[in-house]
Amino acid sequence: EPEVTQTPSHQVTQMGQEVILRCVPISNHLYFYWYRQILGQKVEFLVSFYNNEISEKSEIFDDQFSVERPDGSNFTLKIRSTKLEDSAMYFCAARRDRGIDEQFFGPGTRLTVL
Amino acid sequence: AQTVTQSQPEMSVQEAETVTLSCTYDTSESDYYLFWYKQPPSRQMILVIRQEAYKQQNATENRFSVNFQKAAKSFSLKISDSQLGDAAMYFCAYEGGAQKLVFGQGTRLTINP
Repeated sequence: EPEVTQTPSHQVTQMGQEVILRCVPISNHLYFYWYRQILGQKVEFLVSFYNNEISEKSEIFDDQFSVERPDGSNFTLKIRSTKLEDSAMYFCAARRDRGIDEQFFGPGTRLTVL
Repeated sequence: AQTVTQSQPEMSVQEAETVTLSCTYDTSESDYYLFWYKQPPSRQMILVIRQEAYKQQNATENRFSVNFQKAAKSFSLKISDSQLGDAAMYFCAYEGGAQKLVFGQGTRLTINP
């Protein structure tokens, strides 16, 4: 069964550096999401994306964050200038259709900012 | 804004016994979905069960079932015949018209052999 995949599985970066987290959704999925989970805390919504546009974003998703789907398959989350508090697990999720499908989660990328 | 509350940070159960994890939520919407996700140590988010709010019948998936009380805004998960592989963090989640998941704080479930 096709799965949502994410790369890298673990990213270590220095504070102030840019990182790009990648997600490859299942081919017929149209709605995309990023969530993050700081260690020991709950999962939090960051942003939703459909038809090459952001549908909704949370207050966490400030100007340091951006998303895009550059080649029609990969879905990326960019953090321009990482902060220590950006250290977290970042999950991509995707679905074929709203209201019918659940969101299928990728395995996550663990981001460590030093 | 919608909120989801899981009042049990930790639960434990003997293998083969039954355990119930609690979840309450707050919303003014009438049409929504509720989910239970399992997060093992690998931290992968695995969907356990899903409930549509318009359905009165409680969802079941093998050993997993829910008790959905819409008026009370309660959505508990019952795990029957608990197995060692059920040990994980369990998150209750809500999805309404905004199409984003709102998660509770999680319950860590330990299975005692």
